[in-house]
Amino acid sequence: AQTVTQSQPEMSVQEAETVTLSCTYDTSENNYYLFWYKQPPSRQMILVIRQEAYKQQNATENRFSVNFQKAAKSFSLKISDSQLGDTAMYFCAFVALNYGGSQGNLIFGKGTKLSVKP
Amino acid sequence: SAVISQKPSRDICQRGTSLTIQCQVDSQVTMMFWYRQQPGQSLTLIATANQGSEATYESGFVIDKFPISRPNLTFSTLTVSNMSPEDSSIYLCSVEVSGLWWDYGYTFGSGTRLTVV
Repeated sequence: AQTVTQSQPEMSVQEAETVTLSCTYDTSENNYYLFWYKQPPSRQMILVIRQEAYKQQNATENRFSVNFQKAAKSFSLKISDSQLGDTAMYFCAFVALNYGGSQGNLIFGKGTKLSVKP
Repeated sequence: SAVISQKPSRDICQRGTSLTIQCQVDSQVTMMFWYRQQPGQSLTLIATANQGSEATYESGFVIDKFPISRPNLTFSTLTVSNMSPEDSSIYLCSVEVSGLWWDYGYTFGSGTRLTVV
């Protein structure tokens, strides 16, 4: 069974600084996707960044980047130049892919509550 | 990517009553997923709804408590039946967005915040 672990229940960072959120996962699959989702108090789940397991290059989206270490099964999220609007819950998620597409639902970590302080 | 309209956004209900949550997708999708998010917690999958077949429920969730309908490829409902305060949660629907690898992901409805009193 696949599992996703986020070991940091809460983190805080000063505005304009950089913060890294940790995520590890366990799977025997070779082809999968990893995601980071953001959930602000509005409760809307917003996709921050995605990474396909076969892509060696780490994904980046503006101020957000990941450090994907496949052998170590690690998928951390780095937020640069933190902004007050980054305050939210962040969830790491995993889905394995078969030949015909996904294997169903996302598997989520427990989340990290990030507070950006002015 | 798909856009999901989820209704209602919030409700306060009396214990013992039922609430039906609707999700409408702007494109046809094979699977729809229903999640529960208890206060301060992560998302827990309730069931997967495929059009034309019975929903598949996860351990700890039963059809009598959470009946699901999936009448077509763009719509689904989740009913929370015979509610108790323990059912107070956020309920979200989600669909897989397939296609090109750089566009692959999952889209979520805006969530229904349910409070049972």
